[in-house]
Amino acid sequence: GAGVSQSPSNKVTEKGKDVELRCDPISGHTALYWYRQSLGQGLEFLIYFQGNSAPDKSGLPSDRFSAERTGGSVSTLTIQRTQQEDSAVYLCASSLNPRAEKETQYFGPGTRLLVL
Amino acid sequence: AQSVSQHNHHVILSEAASLELGCNYSYGGTVNLFWYVQYPGQHLQLLLKYFSGDPLVKGIKGFEAEFIKSKFSFNLRKPSVQWSDTAEYFCAVNTGNQFYFGTGTSLTVIP
Repeated sequence: GAGVSQSPSNKVTEKGKDVELRCDPISGHTALYWYRQSLGQGLEFLIYFQGNSAPDKSGLPSDRFSAERTGGSVSTLTIQRTQQEDSAVYLCASSLNPRAEKETQYFGPGTRLLVL
Repeated sequence: AQSVSQHNHHVILSEAASLELGCNYSYGGTVNLFWYVQYPGQHLQLLLKYFSGDPLVKGIKGFEAEFIKSKFSFNLRKPSVQWSDTAEYFCAVNTGNQFYFGTGTSLTVIP
């Protein structure tokens, strides 16, 4: 596709419910990243997928957070039993080849999650 | 742990004023450096990047940044800002394993 796409663009949910956020990276990009952007904060790294390798989950804040990447393309970030502090903008980014010297990330528009 | 610091959280300038946004990082190895911009209602876009070579890099819309290795800095500059430069600016560092972002600087340009 022309760029990274994410859905939904906005999500309002009740505390305790599960949510799924989707990311479609740029076609051919092997690397996919999830970040969280809270009000007044920078981008907080959550998880990183590279090809068929095991994902780097070091940034996931709790075991309520998980992510999958099917077929090396689309990724889904799942938050179980949502809490109000999960409210944030969740950003996805992809890059062509993270081991290349000149790697650049391309970001999607984000999903704005509000947990009531 | 690696970190990226943006000391200016909110900057307000009049049109035609000069801009400099600070960015410092803590990592002793080789890094690639980036500035991203997020205009109101839009998603993050790459403004400019440094990988190697000339430490003064030029990006889109008249922005430039200078990598000073001894100071672990990558400050963003523009000689004359415009109202349309109103946005959030993020500095980022790639250490080869992961990207680290600063907390962002909100720039407001007053016409």
